[in-house]
Amino acid sequence: NAGVTQTPKFRVLKTGQSMTLLCAQDMNHEYMYWYRQDPGMGLRLIHYSVGEGTTAKGEVPDGYNVSRLKKQNFLLGLESAAPSQTSVYFCASSSAGKVAEQFFGPGTRLTVL
Amino acid sequence: AQRVTQPEKLLSVFKGAPVELKCNYSYSGSPELFWYVQYSRQRLQLLLRHISRESIKGFTADLNKGETSFHLKKPFAQEEDSAMYYCALETGANNLFFGTGTRLTVIP
Repeated sequence: NAGVTQTPKFRVLKTGQSMTLLCAQDMNHEYMYWYRQDPGMGLRLIHYSVGEGTTAKGEVPDGYNVSRLKKQNFLLGLESAAPSQTSVYFCASSSAGKVAEQFFGPGTRLTVL
Repeated sequence: AQRVTQPEKLLSVFKGAPVELKCNYSYSGSPELFWYVQYSRQRLQLLLRHISRESIKGFTADLNKGETSFHLKKPFAQEEDSAMYYCALETGANNLFFGTGTRLTVIP
């Protein structure tokens, strides 16, 4: 099993460009999460999903959109990238009722120039 | 509002010395707390949870509701313990709140 995978691993964008980060999990988990990790800020939740077709805002949702059309995939979109969105993005998944046992992906390092 | 505070961004100890990574929380309900660890070039992973009162890789953590703390301790640090450690709080809202993390370096 691959666990949680993220595509791409690295990306450089110019301000105003758009992109989509893909997260996939093969553990049949109901819940999926997107975090950003910044120095001195720790991990902050952007959006999460408790099931196919559902999404909810986390702590720092502004500037991002998400979709969960399939149970195994969770997409994070940046419609108009800004330098403040330069970060490492982590996806995670968990079973329903086991929110604390999250399985993380390897991360995507995004730089916005 | 809930909050998790890890006051030390960096912590260095010598091999064989005791180590304590501090975590304080603020939450009006009944907290469930956890420690996650990220070793170099590895994924973030769950290390231990307070409710199970377990010892993982020699680490323990006790929930002190009076002091609202959940410090991570190990009596004798090993070089392989060098990593980034995050304290996390679950509030029953289908997600976790993470602290800002402490980077532990064990000096040989």
